[in-house]
Order: sequence, then structure tokens, then C-alpha cells
Amino acid sequence: QQQVKQSPQSLIVQKGGISIINCAYENTAFDYFPWYQQFPGKGPALLIAIRPDVSEKKEGRFTISFNKSAKQFSLHIMDSQPGDSATYFCAASRQTSYDKVIFGPGTSLSVIP
Amino acid sequence: GAGVSQTPSNKVTEKGKYVELRCDPISGHTALYWYRQSLGQGPEFLIYFQGTGAADDSGLPNDRFFAVRPEGSVSTLKIQRTERGDSAVYLCASSPLAMAGNEQFFGPGTRLTVL
Repeated sequence: QQQVKQSPQSLIVQKGGISIINCAYENTAFDYFPWYQQFPGKGPALLIAIRPDVSEKKEGRFTISFNKSAKQFSLHIMDSQPGDSATYFCAASRQTSYDKVIFGPGTSLSVIP
Repeated sequence: GAGVSQTPSNKVTEKGKYVELRCDPISGHTALYWYRQSLGQGPEFLIYFQGTGAADDSGLPNDRFFAVRPEGSVSTLKIQRTERGDSAVYLCASSPLAMAGNEQFFGPGTRLTVL
């Protein structure tokens, strides 16, 4: 019940296209859903996060869509660029008190020119 | 400003040896976390410190793993009698407050290889 599932495992997108990564969770106590971006040899860095009181959050080219009833959320990267090539992790936790962050297995995104 | 730093960046050791991995968090951050990331996987929680005390060590896989943070700043992850299965990247993260809603800032990790 602590697991966060993520798909696809890898994704190849043309420059300018839309990258879509999907995640699902089981634990209904989760109420904080961050996305992390990781480049090779670096630690993950927070990209964008959402709380379940909203269905969508947009920051620049990055949008999270959240479906509370389905317990699913997704990351959309608009106008994908080669510099977006990285591994993306969705995650889930409870924000009301300390709780460990549970990461998905990751999606390796390659944006080709 | 300086981010989270980890030393060494790479560590190669032999099965059965003892290793120490160091983490310097961002100055002023009270919460410190250790994660383990195996190849092709997401970070897996190991232990969390609030100040000097380990508030949650439920992710430590067994008693060969131990971590300390004696002065509430630098932390050391200690692994005894290393096994080949311990090979992974060990990530440290810090945050200003001990709440999941606070962004965790990750270091670059220490790549541990057990031969």
C-alpha cells in the first residue's frame, strides 16, 4: 500500500513534443505529490509538486494533473527540449506531519532533436 | 550558497569491509535524510534525523547499517560487513523543517561498489 507505480519506464519524444508520465498510488493518506528530476551523476531535484485540493498545477512548461478518485497523477512536459532529457520520479507522502517520501521507480526521458 | 555535499563521491570496497559515508547538509537545515538508490530505481528511504536524533530509522535494511548525526549537522552513514548487495548510490538530503511538504534538497550521492 506504500508503493507508487510509474509508467512508462522509458520515453523518447521529439523536440517540441509533449512528454507524459503517469503515476498511481494506493495509500489514500498521501496528500503531497512531488515530482523530481535527476540528471546523470546528480541527486534528484524538486521540479513541481501538487496537493490533492487542486486537480492541476502548471509551472512554465510543466503541468501536473491529479485525479483523486482514481488515485492517479501525471506530469506533462510541453514543448519538450533536449535539455529536459533526464530521469523523472513521481513521489508521494503525507504533508500534515513528518512522513517518509515514497518514490516511484522513475522514467528515463530522452528528447531527440 | 553551498548545497548538500557528500563524500566520497565514489567508494570501492571489498566484501566484509566497513565503510563510512559522510553528508554535509545545507547550513541551518534541521532535517536530514538518507536514501539508497539502486540502478534503475527510485530513491529508497533509509533513515531520517530531526536535529541529532534519528526520528525514523524504519528503512535501514538490517543491523549492519547505522547512521549518526552527533551535533545536528554533519551525518555519517556506517555500513559494517559490507555485502555485494549493498552496492548502490547513497543519497543524502536535507530540508529546513521536518515536514514532507518541505522541499528536500539532495546531494550528488556516494556511489558504493562492493567487490
